[in-house]
Amino acid sequence: QQKVQQSPESLSVPEGGMASLNCTSSDRNFQYFWWYRQHSGEGPKALMSIFSDGDKKEGRFTAHLNKASLHVSLHIRDSQPSDSALYFCAAKPNYNVLYFGSGTKLTVEP
Amino acid sequence: EAAVTQSPRNKVTVTGGNVTLSCRQTNSHNYMYWYRQDTGHGLRLIHYSYGAGNLQIGDVPDGYKATRTTQEDFFLLLELASPSQTSLYFCASSDEAGGARDTQYFGPGTRLLVL
Repeated sequence: QQKVQQSPESLSVPEGGMASLNCTSSDRNFQYFWWYRQHSGEGPKALMSIFSDGDKKEGRFTAHLNKASLHVSLHIRDSQPSDSALYFCAAKPNYNVLYFGSGTKLTVEP
Repeated sequence: EAAVTQSPRNKVTVTGGNVTLSCRQTNSHNYMYWYRQDTGHGLRLIHYSYGAGNLQIGDVPDGYKATRTTQEDFFLLLELASPSQTSLYFCASSDEAGGARDTQYFGPGTRLLVL
């Protein structure tokens, strides 16, 4: 079983809308969490990291972490067609191995 | 942003063939990683290294060897390629001077097809 589960598998939102992506881990040793974004034909790029409980906001992107429930979410407000991509949640324990979820494909429709 | 390059970008080989995938990072990062990406599985770690001459086993190492020749260069070797190794391969690097909080930076990927 994968240690990091993501939902939904795919998501479609209208331009200007809010996209919400979810991630749950099954390992209480996970301390550090990232959201990565991958556009077609490219490698994944780190979008944001979150290490403490609560919200972290960077521009249109807000990540939320709840370590007690091992749940991380990513919210994208005012979604743009350029946000269409594959989004990965990734988590690390307190050593240098990163575990990825299977990804959420986001489509922003003009 | 950290620069990671991979070659070749595309490779076709036959079952039983030998393949070497190359990765170079020019940011003096200590750690380098090889992943494979498959639909429904996300990215899975094959091997990683924390310095020249060092090799650590990841989650899906069977059928793969790796070698870190310098701080910059990390190679992934498939000595008897099988169709199950058809995949998209990514190399990544990270400094890890800050411990587990450091971000990994990925290359553009190599698409491998084993016929």
